[in-house]
Amino acid sequence: GAGVSQSPRYKVAKRGQDVALRCDPISGHVSLFWYQQALGQGPEFLTYFQNEAQLDKSGLPSDRFFAERPEGSVSTLKIQRTQQEDSAVYLCASSPLAGGQETQYFGPGTRLLVL
Amino acid sequence: AQSVTQLGSHVSVSEGALVLLRCNYSSSVPPYLFWYVQYPNQGLQLLLKYTTGATLVKGINGFEAEFKKSETSFHLTKPSAHMSDAAEYFCAVSDPSGDDKIIFGKGTRLHILP
Repeated sequence: GAGVSQSPRYKVAKRGQDVALRCDPISGHVSLFWYQQALGQGPEFLTYFQNEAQLDKSGLPSDRFFAERPEGSVSTLKIQRTQQEDSAVYLCASSPLAGGQETQYFGPGTRLLVL
Repeated sequence: AQSVTQLGSHVSVSEGALVLLRCNYSSSVPPYLFWYVQYPNQGLQLLLKYTTGATLVKGINGFEAEFKKSETSFHLTKPSAHMSDAAEYFCAVSDPSGDDKIIFGKGTRLHILP
């Protein structure tokens, strides 16, 4: 596909369950970002990868959140022991090069609902 | 620290009327500025961006924005609204000397009245 894809598109989890959200960036894109978008809010930065290196994880809300990109392409965001406040849309974005002027291309998001 | 303020969480305009969505930013360094649009159940799409150079930036779908350093503003405009413009619009800022992460405003939902 030509764009960023994310799976699953929707996920319902019981409180305390672990979830894994997948992002397939545009092929060849160096930079990959994860954002969290709560209902009625703008996206908030979670973490940033340049190739396989996680250069910034300052936005991860707690140590229950973990992200990886082991081969510098596909990325997984894992949330352990989910809580109701984790309910949000999780957005993935990629850009072709490092550098803030580069356009970030966003996927459709994964909508997570924790019951 | 950088931040973005979007004035008005909801804006309604009549079809054919001027669209004006307001954005003010706070940044200690000259920023990069962006406007993204989000249609229901879709990902964010870049409308336009300012990095350097000309302060009036033209984007897709007839939108444009002007970077005004003295006012720390980056308002989005379109001369004539279409029904298809109804969506959520996000203003965003990034630090050119930082790690490329984007700081988003809370968004403005644009309603187009027939």
